[in-house]
Amino acid sequence: DTEVTQTPKHLVMGMTNKKSLKCEQHMGHRAMYWYKQKAKKPPELMFVYSYEKLSINESVPSRFSPECPNSSLLNLHLHALQPEDSALYLCASSQDSTGLTEQFFGPGTRLTVL
Amino acid sequence: EDQVTQSPEALRLQEGESSSLNCSYTVSGLRGLFWYRQDPGKGPEFLFTLYSAGEEKEKERLKATLTKKESFLHITAPKPEDSATYLCAVPGSSNTGKLIFGQGTTLQVKP
Repeated sequence: DTEVTQTPKHLVMGMTNKKSLKCEQHMGHRAMYWYKQKAKKPPELMFVYSYEKLSINESVPSRFSPECPNSSLLNLHLHALQPEDSALYLCASSQDSTGLTEQFFGPGTRLTVL
Repeated sequence: EDQVTQSPEALRLQEGESSSLNCSYTVSGLRGLFWYRQDPGKGPEFLFTLYSAGEEKEKERLKATLTKKESFLHITAPKPEDSATYLCAVPGSSNTGKLIFGQGTTLQVKP
């Protein structure tokens, strides 16, 4: 099973709302990732968790707050977003965070900020 | 600076018309190269991993090859369902696990 699940599939929020994106994998992977993808662009790395600890933050604004409650779950908490944050948010996982093992992506959450 | 360049940006083929997509890279000490397929509005789907020059991998109508400077994704007798954006990526030389993605090639196969 190489499935990564993400909820919700779609999310519309106002600039003052607080919402969370969720991601789950049951492949025993020890690295999990959040990416942001704009139309016609490749995925852009936001955060990397390795063994449930944040190992990379690609200078992401603090209105995005990641959380890794356990080795299977990854959350992305959203607060006071801007319209330019509207994008497809992708979660991925891999066996480790060396970059040498393939990453498996979830279906994404389409986020619209009004 | 690590860089991945894919060409062409877009490719239109007739069903059954074979072609190749290119992914060239500049990275210190290549440690692997990944190919993904992405359908509109969906997450990338993993296709292949290549680790060393000369390596080849095949899956149905797709064949990926790797040299010291580039990788090719050969599509043999494509069907309309092969229409998608194809992304290649390499691990960055900083050893952080970050992938460097190309801009992708959008393939359209017409019946």
